[in-house]
Amino acid sequence: EAGVAQSPRYKIIEKRQSVAFWCNPISGHATLYWYQQILGQGPKLLIQFQNNGVVDDSQLPKDRFSAERLKGVDSTLKIQPAKLEDSAVYLCASSSERGSGETQYFGPGTRLLVL
Amino acid sequence: AQSVTQPDIHITVSEGASLELRCNYSYGATPYLFWYVQSPGQGLQLLLKYFSGDTLVQGIKGFEAEFKRSQSSFNLRKPSVHWSDAAEYFCAVSFYNQGGKLIFGQGTELSVKP
Repeated sequence: EAGVAQSPRYKIIEKRQSVAFWCNPISGHATLYWYQQILGQGPKLLIQFQNNGVVDDSQLPKDRFSAERLKGVDSTLKIQPAKLEDSAVYLCASSSERGSGETQYFGPGTRLLVL
Repeated sequence: AQSVTQPDIHITVSEGASLELRCNYSYGATPYLFWYVQSPGQGLQLLLKYFSGDTLVQGIKGFEAEFKRSQSSFNLRKPSVHWSDAAEYFCAVSFYNQGGKLIFGQGTELSVKP
């Protein structure tokens, strides 16, 4: 079974530019998560989808971040415009169901550096 | 606010020695507890999880963890560390009726001496 796929793996941009990250979850997984992991910290949830609907985006900086999951499969996370503090690893995860005990499977992440 | 604390930022152990990584969480509803491992350039891999029942949980790669409700702790242990265990370890919790959202600790980096 293929795991969670993410691209690109690395991205370097200048501040005020825009960037997009792509995630393909495990086949059949209804729930998809985007986490931000700043260097030296644990991952922090940005947004959670159940199929193509948003379940939780309370910690998403909506003035610059947006995300979508069209057709309930792939997802895209966008930052526009980027700030220096957005430098981080962006992790995508998926689980088969929505629930507190469900195992989340993580992709390798996209490492973003904003100069 | 609900939080997870991993008191040790960095631990170094000798290969073959025992290991214990600490994790404490703030009081909340019934917690679901997880330990993940992250190797350089890799995503997070689940080592083990606890929901209920036996408070000693066995995981992959020879790891185990013990839930102690009275201490709000979920410490990770391994009796004999291998060089390949060098990585970052994250404790995480989720709570009932929060839809699966994981709250992570800041991580403990494990180095293994030959």
